Amino acid sequence: EAQVTQNPRYLITVTGKKLTVTCSQNMNHEYMSWYRQDPGLGLRQIYYSMNVEVTDKGDVPEGYKVSRKEKRNFPLILESPSPNQTSLYFCASSLSSGYYEQYFGPGTRLTVT
Amino acid sequence: GQQLNQSPQSMFIQEGEDVSMNCTSSSIFNTWLWYKQDPGEGPVLLIALYKAGELTSNGRLTAQFGITRKDSFLNISASIPSDVGIYFCAGSSNTGKLIFGQGTTLQVKP
Repeated sequence: EAQVTQNPRYLITVTGKKLTVTCSQNMNHEYMSWYRQDPGLGLRQIYYSMNVEVTDKGDVPEGYKVSRKEKRNFPLILESPSPNQTSLYFCASSLSSGYYEQYFGPGTRLTVT
Repeated sequence: GQQLNQSPQSMFIQEGEDVSMNCTSSSIFNTWLWYKQDPGEGPVLLIALYKAGELTSNGRLTAQFGITRKDSFLNISASIPSDVGIYFCAGSSNTGKLIFGQGTTLQVKP
């Protein structure tokens, strides 16, 4: 089944403790992206990757890192999480950067205390 | 930066009623997409629009790409309880980025 998977689905952590949220797609998509969803703000893009080893900042990149060493994986790293990063995070992928029909993962709900 | 204004923010309607929502942009888009998010799930693509003036249907859903290229509309006819969720518009101007609206929360009373 074609899908985008994220792990973990739920995470509660403390300020400053480094964490990684994994994202994997099995559709051979070139383009992958991370969003955060906050009430009243919709989905805001954190980082995106047009292909392996190519990443770029989205609208809200501060406090996040990403890497794209393989086509299928695009992990999101929070080196020192803070409470304002408490949010619902989505990974998405599409065939290429010029193909805008993005497929979303199920989401990761992160709480930072 | 580019902004999308989606309205209404929320709707509470009776089953069987038709629904309309829209998005307006401060700049021109070349692609408009409409997504639906069910509770606890990721957004799922409903309709994609690629040409100004384009009108596309997907079952009871119809979406239009405004001729000014700065707006888009989504209509749902004869709503049913499973239409409940958050509807997002999204637009792109070929920069490789997708900009999302704030979402319209739809509730349907049986």
